[in-house]
Amino acid sequence: EIVMTQSPATLSVSPGERATLSCRASQSVSSNLAWYQQKPGQDPRLLMYGASTRATGIPARFSGSGSGTEFTLTISSLQSEDFAVYYCQQYNNWPPYTFGQGTKLEIK
Amino acid sequence: EVQLVESGGGLVQPGGSLRLSCAASGFTFSSYEMNWVRQAPGKGLEWVSYISGSASTIYYADSVKGRFTISRDNAKNSLYLQMNSLRAEDTAVYYCARAGHGSGSWYEFDPWGQGTLVTVSS
Repeated sequence: EIVMTQSPATLSVSPGERATLSCRASQSVSSNLAWYQQKPGQDPRLLMYGASTRATGIPARFSGSGSGTEFTLTISSLQSEDFAVYYCQQYNNWPPYTFGQGTKLEIK
Repeated sequence: EVQLVESGGGLVQPGGSLRLSCAASGFTFSSYEMNWVRQAPGKGLEWVSYISGSASTIYYADSVKGRFTISRDNAKNSLYLQMNSLRAEDTAVYYCARAGHGSGSWYEFDPWGQGTLVTVSS
């Protein structure tokens, strides 16, 4: 089973600043990596797939990078609606599909 | 509009059973692989089960294998999860999620339903 590790667990950033979230896989997942955003009481929303392709309707301030075992989600200028929990998921070696434990992005 | 709507959650005693449903609309249901994913209160996401479009291929997480059964009815555009021998640790919001934009055997999940809460408690 591939273990996904996200860092940091909590990230405090001021609106308008840049946020950088990291995700590491225990073995290579190629570019088969997705990022999801989840707000309280809501279902997860796909942000990024193929490590760097924005999903439909996702603003350009969101960008993804990486391949193999190291991945990054960057939000270039934080808006109030971006404060949420972010999860990475690998879909390269499955079953099982595995998720990171999440990074909570909070307002500083 | 692509939509997934779960139902069937509720309070059940340990050892009991429950059947979740997921009604799909806005896309050709039979053409898509489907999954169940759960989220315990205050915790992260855990994949539970997968079913191919034709139901010919099925997988389970080790934590539910032998207790849960995934199925689908393509004529009714519906996905199901039969949960037996429920335990307290099965308490979670259960989401159905469709295969997304990938290709071959590699798909992320998109979209997700709104989830249904299953509480296992005496």
